[in-house]
Amino acid sequence: AQSVTQPDIHITVSEGASLELRCNYSYGATPYLFWYVQSPGQGLQLLLKYFSGDTLVQGIKGFEAEFKRSQSSFNLRKPSVHWSDAAEYFCAVGAMEYGNKLVFGAGTILRVKS
Amino acid sequence: NAGVTQTPKFQVLKTGQSMTLQCAQDMNHEYMSWYRQDPGMGLRLIHYSVGAGITDQGEVPNGYNVSRSTTEDFPLRLLSAAPSQTSVYFCASSYSWDRGNEQFFGPGTRLTVL
Repeated sequence: AQSVTQPDIHITVSEGASLELRCNYSYGATPYLFWYVQSPGQGLQLLLKYFSGDTLVQGIKGFEAEFKRSQSSFNLRKPSVHWSDAAEYFCAVGAMEYGNKLVFGAGTILRVKS
Repeated sequence: NAGVTQTPKFQVLKTGQSMTLQCAQDMNHEYMSWYRQDPGMGLRLIHYSVGAGITDQGEVPNGYNVSRSTTEDFPLRLLSAAPSQTSVYFCASSYSWDRGNEQFFGPGTRLTVL
């Protein structure tokens, strides 16, 4: 069965500092991976996704993520965090045989201090 | 386009009551799904539908029913509410069942069962 681990429940960074949110997945075949962001009281918005090819993917709002098969990881990064990035971030994994069904991690809450 | 809409935004029920959470999308998407979000557990798939007249169970289907009589609507029914069903419920849709199609999320319904 697929599973997703986001080891950090909360992360606090200073505005302008770099950010890395960790995501590890467990799945035997080649997964496809997503990062979603959820602002307070809102639904989820897709930041970026990885299917195949270039292991470094660019997303919206200046985010990027790198797929590392050897480490079963798909960490999300941003070089300079803005106060508006404060939100909850979810990593999700899917697989070809499961169609569009996704398994989500527990989420990481990002706080940005000025 | 309104995207994915959900009603109501908030609901309080007593144990044993039934209710229907409404979900509608105006993007002509084939695939629709219901998730519940609980603290520390991310989003878990309840039921999904790959088209009108076709539904299937997700990871946590017990206590919930769905139907898909039209492409646009995908209501979620709680047959006899229990406190364990206190959660935030999200409806999502995507263009098709094919893997990796971006899922668009509604704003959520916050349900409390007393």
